[in-house]
Amino acid sequence: GDSVTQMEGPVTLSEEAFLTINCTYTATGYPSLFWYVQYPGEGLQLLLKATKADDKGSNKGFEATYRKETTSFHLEKGSVQVSDSAVYFCALSASTGGGNKLTFGTGTQLKVEL
Amino acid sequence: SQTIHQWPATLVQPVGSPLSLECTVEGTSNPNLYWYRQAAGRGLQLLFYSVGIGQISSEVPQNLSASRPQDRQFILSSKKLLLSDSGFYLCAWSLERRYGYTFGSGTRLTVV
Repeated sequence: GDSVTQMEGPVTLSEEAFLTINCTYTATGYPSLFWYVQYPGEGLQLLLKATKADDKGSNKGFEATYRKETTSFHLEKGSVQVSDSAVYFCALSASTGGGNKLTFGTGTQLKVEL
Repeated sequence: SQTIHQWPATLVQPVGSPLSLECTVEGTSNPNLYWYRQAAGRGLQLLFYSVGIGQISSEVPQNLSASRPQDRQFILSSKKLLLSDSGFYLCAWSLERRYGYTFGSGTRLTVV
């Protein structure tokens, strides 16, 4: 079945450091890929997405490129801020099956310190 | 614009009591609707999804049930809560696969 694997957290960085959160996936067909962010006590917000190979999703300084050859969708940001502290979820929506179901990774907690 | 409402935000219930969580979507028609649970410090588990009124698919066997009495209303229920039902419950909707989901703000359920 479909699956998403994310790097374990927590990831602790100093402000202005470079961020990479790794995400790899297994899916049949051609999935759409997503990154969601969850701030403490809140629901999930869509951060960025990519719907086909070599697409780059970007938002709020974050970006991720859909790499079909390595089945990856790593999240990057050049300079993190304290306000980026949150849990980040990688997810895929398979091109087969009904209901547009999303399969999520387990989430990676990011802590940014001054 | 589309909005999703989920309530209550926080709930503390005794073991064995019933549960009803409600989710409504505005500004769209015939959305796919979803209930997820997030246990403390863990990932998201899909509980139920619905592609139309009265159509419910269950992803995991459990103490919970779901209903969709109207196009934009999705209800999560239990007749008797267990301690293991504690968690953060999230409702979401989607239209097309490529757009992903829009989530509600969640309900923090603590069963005591």
